[in-house]
Amino acid sequence: AQSVTQLGSHVSVSEGALVLLRCNYSSSVPPYLFWYVQYPNQGLQLLLKYTTGATLVKGINGFEAEFKKSETSFHLTKPSAHMSDAAEYFCAVRRGNTGNQFYFGTGTSLTVIP
Amino acid sequence: NAGVTQTPKFQVLKTGQSMTLQCAQDMNHNSMYWYRQDPGMGLRLIYYSASEGTTDKGEVPNGYNVSRLNKREFSLRLESAAPSQTSVYFCASRVSGTDTQYFGPGTRLTVL
Repeated sequence: AQSVTQLGSHVSVSEGALVLLRCNYSSSVPPYLFWYVQYPNQGLQLLLKYTTGATLVKGINGFEAEFKKSETSFHLTKPSAHMSDAAEYFCAVRRGNTGNQFYFGTGTSLTVIP
Repeated sequence: NAGVTQTPKFQVLKTGQSMTLQCAQDMNHNSMYWYRQDPGMGLRLIYYSASEGTTDKGEVPNGYNVSRLNKREFSLRLESAAPSQTSVYFCASRVSGTDTQYFGPGTRLTVL
């Protein structure tokens, strides 16, 4: 079975501080991993994804994530938080390159304090 | 391109009423999805359609039916709404063989 666990339903950081949102996954096959962002009253938007190849992936808005197989983790980071980063973030997993279903974590709400 | 559109944006139903949520995409995507989003539970897949003419159950299909009307449209029907179906519903689409899902703006449904 595929699933993701997001540690921390709420994270607060100061503007300019490091953002770290945690995601651990379980998968019976090599996973495809994703981070999505949801701004208030909007749908989800893809931030970045890991499929194969380089384990450090870069996304939009300065975010990046590193796939660590030994730790079954795919944490999302950004060196310097901006007020516009305040949103809900979801980690998701898909079963390799054949699965049609995506499994989402419960989400982490990021607050940026001025 | 409008991307993924959903109608209505808001709906209030009484217990036992029925309704259909509409979703359409103009990106020529093969796969389409219906999710529900509830506080503290993230997104859960209700049904998906890998291609025109096929539909499959997701994690939480009970109480819902779907129709893949054509390649563009994928509707979700609640035959007899229950308060437990109060949620925000998102439709998404994807080109088969790629990984990026595109989401609609959502339908906020309240069942009284």
